Parts: sequence; structure tokens; C-alpha cells
Amino acid sequence: EDQVTQSPEALRLQEGESSSLNCSYTVSGLRGLFWYRQDPGKGPEFLFTLYSAGEEKEKERLKATLTKKESFLHITAPKPEDSATYLCAVQADGGSQGNLIFGKGTKLSVKP
Amino acid sequence: DTAVSQTPKYLVTQMGNDKSIKCEQNLGHDTMYWYKQDSKKFLKIMFSYNNKELIINETVPNRFSPKSPDKAHLNLHINSLELGDSAVYFCASSELGQTGNTIYFGEGSWLTVV
Repeated sequence: EDQVTQSPEALRLQEGESSSLNCSYTVSGLRGLFWYRQDPGKGPEFLFTLYSAGEEKEKERLKATLTKKESFLHITAPKPEDSATYLCAVQADGGSQGNLIFGKGTKLSVKP
Repeated sequence: DTAVSQTPKYLVTQMGNDKSIKCEQNLGHDTMYWYKQDSKKFLKIMFSYNNKELIINETVPNRFSPKSPDKAHLNLHINSLELGDSAVYFCASSELGQTGNTIYFGEGSWLTVV
């Protein structure tokens, strides 16, 4: 069964304290891995798509990397406005169009 | 301009009622979806729909039905609402394709059944 597991469930950082969020996945074949940010009361906001092992993408303080078994979202020198829940999702080969399998998310809190 | 918009944002209704949630996207996408986020915060797909094909997640009760008047709209109708239907429902859209196209989500509709 295709599955996505994110860790930790919650992460508290001080402003400027860099860290990484983990997304482990088990799929029959990976069509794409997605990172989203979700603020309270809002819909998921797209951050990155990764398609193959070794791929990396960056956006401001965020950098996403991908291996054959997991993805990391690295946050460099976070700011309080980076506080949100970060969701990882995969689309598997053989899955129907748009069928993203989501993890439960990592709730990030950045304190000033 | 909001790319994927859905209304209402909040809906409180009694058990047994029938309700609808509307969704519109202005991204020119071919495919639209409904996702459900339950109390445990997991997001799960309910439907995907383009002008040729409706794919229904087999776990979705037949009380739920999508209706698409045109390519830019996909409404969600729910009949005979039950307490367990309380959740956040997200509309989403993407381009048609097989290569892991990015899916863009709306802001969500909070449904509470009392």
C-alpha cells in the first residue's frame, strides 16, 4: 500500500535555528513528490514538486531534496512567519489523476 | 484574483439535510478535484473530474456527488448529511496529464453537521 509518513509531528524552533523536516514514502512507483504549506484556516499552498532522486529545489529559506525513499524540507534561519503545517504528498504510478497521498504533516512553530 | 475559490467557507447544518459546496477555478485547468480533511488532519481525495472522466474514491458514500456545469466549476452535493460528514472540504484543480502535475487548492469549506 502506498504510504507517506512525516516526522516530527511538531517542531519548535527559535528564530534563526535551522532544521529539517522528513517525509518518508512507500510507493510502487513515484510520479511526483509535493510539498505544501498550510496555515490555520487555509488551504494547502504549493511549495515544490520533485520528480526524481537527487533532485533539489529552493525557495527563499526552504530547500527540498529527494531520495528514493524520502524527502527532506530544510529550513535555513527560519523566521516566525515560517510557522505553519508542512504537508508532504506523493503521486504514485498507477494512481488516478490527481490522487495525492498525503502525510499527516509537520507543525512548525518558530519563536522570535 | 483567487485561483481556486469555494463557497461557503463555513456551513453549519442539521443531520438529514442536503447541502452543496460550490467551486470555481480561473487557472484554465482541465481537471478538478474534491479532497476531504478529517479531524485527524489527513487530506484524502474524494473525486477527480475532467470533461471526459469522473473517478470516485471507492470509500466515498454515494450520498456525495460532484456536479460540473462547465470546465471551470465543480460543485459538491451532499445528501442526507450525517454527523460523520463534519470535516473540511477542499476543492482543487490541475492541468490534465500523467506527469505529476501540480494541484492547487482552494481555501476550504468547513462543514459542521449537528
